[in-house]
Amino acid sequence: DTEVTQTPKHLVMGMTNKKSLKCEQHMGHRAMYWYKQKAKKPPELMFVYSYEKLSINESVPSRFSPECPNSSLLNLHLHALQPEDSALYLCASSSQTRADTQYFGPGTRLTVL
Amino acid sequence: KNEVEQSPQNLTAQEGEFITINCSYSVGISALHWLQQHPGGGIVSLFMLSSGKKKHGRLIATINIQEKHSSLHITASHPRDSAVYICAVVIIQGAQKLVFGQGTRLTINP
Repeated sequence: DTEVTQTPKHLVMGMTNKKSLKCEQHMGHRAMYWYKQKAKKPPELMFVYSYEKLSINESVPSRFSPECPNSSLLNLHLHALQPEDSALYLCASSSQTRADTQYFGPGTRLTVL
Repeated sequence: KNEVEQSPQNLTAQEGEFITINCSYSVGISALHWLQQHPGGGIVSLFMLSSGKKKHGRLIATINIQEKHSSLHITASHPRDSAVYICAVVIIQGAQKLVFGQGTRLTINP
């Protein structure tokens, strides 16, 4: 199984809502990533988890809160988002080596009203 | 200046043509990735290179470490190859993350 799954596929939320994005992989990978991608731009790294510990936070606003409950799951909790946070949110995973191939999920398209 | 530069930014070609997309980088790297993204979002990893050349079907990727340059070639292009192709590198001195180029939008017309 070389698949990374993400739910939901689409999410529309208001600025006062609280929602969560979920990501799952069963490849035994110990590194998991959240990226944000705006239209016609490359992905921007948000967070990296290594062995379930947060190893990189790219100065992301606190309204985005990541969580890694176990080695297969990665969540991104959203609260008090702004319309400019509307984007495609991509999850990826890789085995622990730094240069290893990352496997991407299909993404969650988020719209903040 | 971006650490990873791709050219061209946009490329339109006819079915069957040989396609080349270029990637130059300005830092020391431990690996270079070529990624494909179709409309709708999903990203697929095509190749990971640290030296030489790799081939998979109609796709060929090469890297010249001394010249800090990589190319992605598509032979006998097909409309289903239409996508954005992204070059990304892992910097030797950096943290465990990919640094992305801006992408090349490829359109293959029938």
